[in-house]
Amino acid sequence: GQSLEQPSEVTAVEGAIVQINCTYQTSGFYGLSWYQQHDGGAPTFLSYNALDGLEETGRFSSFLSRSDSYGYLLLQELQMKDSASYFCAVSPGGKLIFGQGTELSVKP
Amino acid sequence: ETGVTQSPTHLIKTRGQQVTLRCSSQSGHNTVSWYQQALGQGPQFIFQYYREEENGRGNFPPRFSGLQFPNYSSELNVNALELDDSALYLCASSRGTGEGEQYFGPGTRLTVT
Repeated sequence: GQSLEQPSEVTAVEGAIVQINCTYQTSGFYGLSWYQQHDGGAPTFLSYNALDGLEETGRFSSFLSRSDSYGYLLLQELQMKDSASYFCAVSPGGKLIFGQGTELSVKP
Repeated sequence: ETGVTQSPTHLIKTRGQQVTLRCSSQSGHNTVSWYQQALGQGPQFIFQYYREEENGRGNFPPRFSGLQFPNYSSELNVNALELDDSALYLCASSRGTGEGEQYFGPGTRLTVT
């Protein structure tokens, strides 16, 4: 089976940098995705790492180490609108398997 | 906005009833996946349809069923509703099997009383 672990809550101040970690246990490897979800809204795709290393998209970066079964999402120059839940996910055959989510609170 | 639409937005049903939820996929996408999200949890995979055929199913009982139409829109049907079926139901569309990147609709909030 597959399981993913991430912290349940993270708090940071506006303008800061925050890192959300994700460790996973999977029977194979299918890449690691990150999604953002504002309260009650649709999950929005942020990034996908199929290979080891860092992927950068604007203020957001995502890192993957397959040998460590570990990844993280890095958010820079935090803004109030970044307050949301963040999910890591693996996708065997397109079946997204999500972690429990990390609730990020950005304070002024 | 992803271009994926779902209807209805909210729904209240009684235990034992049946419900049909609908999803229109983004233009150019031939795959629709359905997820159930309970409050405070991550979405749970229900099933996926690729070119009108079921292409994988999660750990949900047979009373959860679905369809995909030639225009790639999709329906989720749930029979014999239970209180625990109360959740946000999300559909996501993608090209191919959507490994890594899927586009989610706004969801249908189902309440079973």
